[in-house]
Amino acid sequence: GAVVSQHPSWVICKSGTSVKIECRSLDFQATTMFWYRQFPKQSLMLMATSNEGSKATYEQGVEKDKFLINHASLTLSTLTVTSAHPEDSSFYICSALAVGFSTGELFFGEGSRLTVL
Amino acid sequence: GIQVEQSPPDLILQEGANSTLRCNFSDSVNNLQWFHQNPWGQLINLFYIPSGTKQNGRLSATTVATERYSLLYISSSQTTDSGVYFCAVSNQAGTALIFGKGTTLSVSS
Repeated sequence: GAVVSQHPSWVICKSGTSVKIECRSLDFQATTMFWYRQFPKQSLMLMATSNEGSKATYEQGVEKDKFLINHASLTLSTLTVTSAHPEDSSFYICSALAVGFSTGELFFGEGSRLTVL
Repeated sequence: GIQVEQSPPDLILQEGANSTLRCNFSDSVNNLQWFHQNPWGQLINLFYIPSGTKQNGRLSATTVATERYSLLYISSSQTTDSGVYFCAVSNQAGTALIFGKGTTLSVSS
């Protein structure tokens, strides 16, 4: 149980285009999902917290108009990188917190590697 | 916010050796997790351990919450243990994990 799936696993796009990444909880419902970004040889940095049915909360320094997050259901959150540029190339990872969690344990997706040319 | 420090940053071992990875944190926590990030980037959950001791095969972990540290033990290391080990914590229920910078482990045969 507690499987989180991301799609796509990797994507290459041209500069200026938009890319959508999906994060799904496959066998549980998640009221809250978190989006992280990881640059090469660095740690994971929290970008935003996504709550089902409400606006996402972004960390300081993360542009909300560039990284659009939608959490329309208890099993799906999406991250859209708008007008992507080479500096947005990174590894994006989501995690989910189960509804009615008995612990605070978070489960992570496989990650999505974005390369912007 | 809460700070997480991991040591050592890098560790090189011969196959069969044992190792201890340390995670210090600056505040009380309600969640602490250890992960292994494989070469493809996937985070593998090792332990959910805000306090106490757990063991899973060759791996075990101990968190001493009152002293604000956690240890991950790897015994009889194998080449497949290579990768980056992250400690991550949160200090409020239902909030995101804050990650340390990781320990990069290289195990050679």
